[in-house]
Amino acid sequence: NAGVTQTPKFQVLKTGQSMTLQCAQDMNHNSMYWYRQDPGMGLRLIYYSASEGTTDKGEVPNGYNVSRLNKREFSLRLESAAPSQTSVYFCASRQTGTGNSPLHFGNGTRLTVT
Amino acid sequence: QKEVEQNSGPLSVPEGAIASLNCTYSDRGSQSFFWYRQYSGKSPELIMFIYSNGDKEDGRFTAQLNKASQYVSLLIRDSQPSDSATYLCAVKSGGSYIPTFGRGTSLIVHP
Repeated sequence: NAGVTQTPKFQVLKTGQSMTLQCAQDMNHNSMYWYRQDPGMGLRLIYYSASEGTTDKGEVPNGYNVSRLNKREFSLRLESAAPSQTSVYFCASRQTGTGNSPLHFGNGTRLTVT
Repeated sequence: QKEVEQNSGPLSVPEGAIASLNCTYSDRGSQSFFWYRQYSGKSPELIMFIYSNGDKEDGRFTAQLNKASQYVSLLIRDSQPSDSATYLCAVKSGGSYIPTFGRGTSLIVHP
């Protein structure tokens, strides 16, 4: 099993450009999450999807949109990239919503906005 | 506001020693506790989880949970240089979809 797959691995954008980060999981998990990680800031939740068909804002949603395309896929879109969005982005999934199951992370996307 | 606190470190220990990593949390409703290891430039990977008070052992790793004092710790016995990484504590409340992460503790194991 591949687990959680993120594409692309690296991306450089100019300010104002848009892009979509893709995430897919093959573990039949219900819940999926997008985090960003910046030095000294830890993991911060951008958006999450408790189950197929639902999405909710996390701690830092401004400047981002998400789509839960189906049970497997959860994409993150930057409509107009800003240098403050330079970060490492991690997608994660969990087997259940409110249960005790842990997060499984993808390998991350390293995004630089110039 | 749910908070999870970790000392950022770095915690430096010699090879073969016991490394002790600590985490405190603010939400008394927390039910699930996770330790993740993150190597530089890599994604977090789950090491252990614990749900009940007391100790849980898995190989060289022991997680300790004390809900009354609201802390969870990770002990790494016989530390190896390959254990050098950042260790993230995550806490989840019952009924919540969202684990809360601490900022992580950097561990350095020197030969």
